[in-house]
Amino acid sequence: EAQVTQNPRYLITVTGKKLTVTCSQNMNHEYMSWYRQDPGLGLRQIYYSMNVEVTDKGDVPEGYKVSRKEKRNFPLILESPSPNQTSLYFCASSFQSGRSYNEQFFGPGTRLTVL
Amino acid sequence: AQSVTQLGSHVSVSEGALVLLRCNYSSSVPPYLFWYVQYPNQGLQLLLKYTTGATLVKGINGFEAEFKKSETSFHLTKPSAHMSDAAEYFCASSYSSASKIIFGSGTRLSIRP
Repeated sequence: EAQVTQNPRYLITVTGKKLTVTCSQNMNHEYMSWYRQDPGLGLRQIYYSMNVEVTDKGDVPEGYKVSRKEKRNFPLILESPSPNQTSLYFCASSFQSGRSYNEQFFGPGTRLTVL
Repeated sequence: AQSVTQLGSHVSVSEGALVLLRCNYSSSVPPYLFWYVQYPNQGLQLLLKYTTGATLVKGINGFEAEFKKSETSFHLTKPSAHMSDAAEYFCASSYSSASKIIFGSGTRLSIRP
């Protein structure tokens, strides 16, 4: 089944404790992206990756890191989480080249609480 | 800069009534437009998309949207609401040259029995 998976689905942590949220897709998509969803703000892009070893900042990258060592995986790293990073996080993927549009497929979300 | 505006953070309709969710985009170049639906505790699912061609687009679950370039709008409609339509709906736009998608702030749809 074609899908985007995220782990963990729920996480409660404390300020300053490094964490990683994993994202994996099995559709051979070039493009992957991380979003955070906050009430009244919709989804805002954190980082994106056009392909392996190619990443760039989105609209709200502060406090986050990413890496893209393999095509299927795109982990989101919070080196020193803070309470303002409490949010619902979504990973998404899509084809990049040779397509007339870029429908994105979303993972189920990770609800992060930073105390 | 590209942006998407959804009018109304919350819309409530009676079961069987018309659903109308509004979306306007700002762009000098007609973008690709999408409506996504998010059911409680789930990820986003694509409802429908406009790329090129016919301006009236039909999606899943009886929803449709019409691209109106003169009004820079892409409103979502459904003739008869069902209880299962209760969810949050996001309008989004993007361009062909990149996969970045800009989302609106979302509209929560409630259905009254």
